[in-house]
Amino acid sequence: KAGVTQTPRYLIKTRGQQVTLSCSPISGHRSVSWYQQTPGQGLQFLFEYFSETQRNKGNFPGRFSGRQFSNSRSEMNVSTLELGDSALYLCASSLDLQGYTQYFGPGTRLTVL
Amino acid sequence: DQQVKQNSPSLSVQEGRISILNCDYTNSMFDYFLWYKKYPAEGPTFLISISSIKDKNEDGRFTVFLNKSAKHLSLHIVPSQPGDSAVYFCAAPLQTGANNLFFGTGTRLTVIP
Repeated sequence: KAGVTQTPRYLIKTRGQQVTLSCSPISGHRSVSWYQQTPGQGLQFLFEYFSETQRNKGNFPGRFSGRQFSNSRSEMNVSTLELGDSALYLCASSLDLQGYTQYFGPGTRLTVL
Repeated sequence: DQQVKQNSPSLSVQEGRISILNCDYTNSMFDYFLWYKKYPAEGPTFLISISSIKDKNEDGRFTVFLNKSAKHLSLHIVPSQPGDSAVYFCAAPLQTGANNLFFGTGTRLTVIP
């Protein structure tokens, strides 16, 4: 079974631009969560989607948004990029809401110049 | 607010010896804990978990201990192998049944051959 895939793996943007990251969960998994990893703040929860609905959201500004499609694939969008948005963005999928075991993708490394 | 803390940023252990990684938490509502391992340029990989109704869970070389009164958990790796060298994160979901994990800051384990 293929793992969680994220595209692109690396991305360079400039301040003020917007970016869209994509995540394909493991086949059959319906829950997708997004996390941001930075050296200063560590791994922080962004949001979680289940059956196309956002179920939980972390403490991030409204510039961070996401969505989930009917095939469980998910995208996250960051608008008006700031230097501090440079991070590794990780997507994780799990079978359902009770599936505490989340399986992570390799991440997208975003650099904002 | 760092609800899950790993106070040791790094740990070095000789091959074959025991590695003990520690984690403290402040939120008494946490009822499930997980350990993840992360190699550079990869997403975290699930290792082992424990429910708050237990005080110990074993899986091969990995054992997690939970002390609820002290709000402390530890991961024991016996025997340690060079391939175990990675960053280890403890994590807890904010709500029962949810997939929004709070992660600790991580401990970098180096197993010396």
